[in-house]
Amino acid sequence: QQQVKQSPQSLIVQKGGIPIINCAYENTAFDYFPWYQQFPGKGPALLIAIRPDVSEKKEGRFTISFNKSAKQFSLHIMDSQPGDSATYFCAASKSGGSNYKLTFGKGTLLTVNP
Amino acid sequence: EAGVVQSPRYKIIEKKQPVAFWCNPISGHNTLYWYRQNLGQGPELLIRYENEEAVDDSQLPKDRFSAERLKGVDSTLKIQPAELGDSAVYLCASSLVLEQYFGPGTRLTVT
Repeated sequence: QQQVKQSPQSLIVQKGGIPIINCAYENTAFDYFPWYQQFPGKGPALLIAIRPDVSEKKEGRFTISFNKSAKQFSLHIMDSQPGDSATYFCAASKSGGSNYKLTFGKGTLLTVNP
Repeated sequence: EAGVVQSPRYKIIEKKQPVAFWCNPISGHNTLYWYRQNLGQGPELLIRYENEEAVDDSQLPKDRFSAERLKGVDSTLKIQPAELGDSAVYLCASSLVLEQYFGPGTRLTVT
């Protein structure tokens, strides 16, 4: 059972465009939603994360939008650059106690053309 | 601050051979995770340690996989014997609270 569904599988945008990557989760107990960026041959790097008490969080050019009722969250990359070309993973987990198990989506391969 | 260190970065072995991966977490991080990432997929948790204790190993194939974290710092993940389906990237991560920080991974190829 895939608990976190991510789309699209791949995405191509022009420099300056705003790619949007979407994720949907099933487990209503999830309350921590990070996004990771992974370059080829590297480990995933934590980009930005959100908790369900806010609907939006912005860090630099990266913004997470969160819709608790729809059980969906998305990543927006403003003014995208060729250096943003990477695979992006959403994830979700329960927090508190011993429940820090991250469940990842399958990833989105983003290509930003110059 | 140094990140999560893993070695080796690449390993090619024949099936039925043993293999071991080593991880040194970020200093002060009590929680350590081992993940497996298959090609085109997100990481999947194999085992999680709180200090020396394995608190979640439900996804670890215990017939061939083993792990240890002596003294609550470095950790080793072992596969014996390796199978063709074990080819993947093995990632180590560590955390202080919620945020997990990943190492570069070990790419294992089983021929």
